[in-house]
Amino acid sequence: AQSVTQLDSHVSVSEGTPVLLRCNYSSSYSPSLFWYVQHPNKGLQLLLKYTSAATLVKGINGFEAEFKKSETSFHLTKPSAHMSDAAEYFCVVRAFGNEKLTFGTGTRLTIIP
Amino acid sequence: GAGVSQSPRYKVAKRGQDVALRCDPISGHVSLFWYQQALGQGPEFLTYFQNEAQLDKSGLPSDRFFAERPEGSVSTLKIQRTQQEDSAVYLCASSLSGGPSTDTQYFGPGTRLTVL
Repeated sequence: AQSVTQLDSHVSVSEGTPVLLRCNYSSSYSPSLFWYVQHPNKGLQLLLKYTSAATLVKGINGFEAEFKKSETSFHLTKPSAHMSDAAEYFCVVRAFGNEKLTFGTGTRLTIIP
Repeated sequence: GAGVSQSPRYKVAKRGQDVALRCDPISGHVSLFWYQQALGQGPEFLTYFQNEAQLDKSGLPSDRFFAERPEGSVSTLKIQRTQQEDSAVYLCASSLSGGPSTDTQYFGPGTRLTVL
C-alpha cells in the first residue's frame, strides 16, 4: 500500500522568506512523487514531479523538492515566498505500475504581508 | 489548448435523488480518473478508465456509485439515491496514455455536490 503524510496542516510565512512544506511517503515499490497546488475555486495544478531521474526536482514558480530515499521524504521548498503562493498544497504518491494517485491531507500555506 | 472540463460546477440535490456528473477530458487523452474530495481533505481515488475500459473501480464507496465512458472520451459519474455523506467535490483528471506510470494527470475544476 502507498501513503503520504504531510506533517503540517497549516504553515504561515512572511512574504520574502523561505517556504518549507514537509512530506513523508510510504510505498512498496519505486514511487513517483508529485506536489500539486490548489488555489481557491480553481483546479489542482501540478507543481513538480519526481520519477526516478534527478533527486532534486525543479518545478514552476520557483518551487523545488528533493527526493531522499533514506528518509522517505519529499519536502517542497521555495527560497522566497510571494503573496500569490497562498494556497493548499498536496503531496502525492503513485506506486510503480499503479495508475491511481494517493494524496496527503494537504498543507494550507498562508503568506503574511 | 482546452483543459479538462466538468459540468455542472455546482449541484444541489435532495437526499434520495439521482445525480449525473460529466467530465470532458483533454482531447486525445487515453486515461481518465475520478476522485472525491471531502471538505478539508485531500482527493481520494474513485475509479479509472483506459479508453472505454474501466480498469479499476476499487475506490467507489458503494454500489450507488457508477461511472461510464462508453466511447472512450466523455465520462459520466452517476450517484443513485444520494446521501448527505456524498457531499463533496468530485474531480476528474485525464492523462495522455495508459502507462508507463509517469504521465501527468491534469485535473478539471471539479463539481461541488451538496446533498440536503
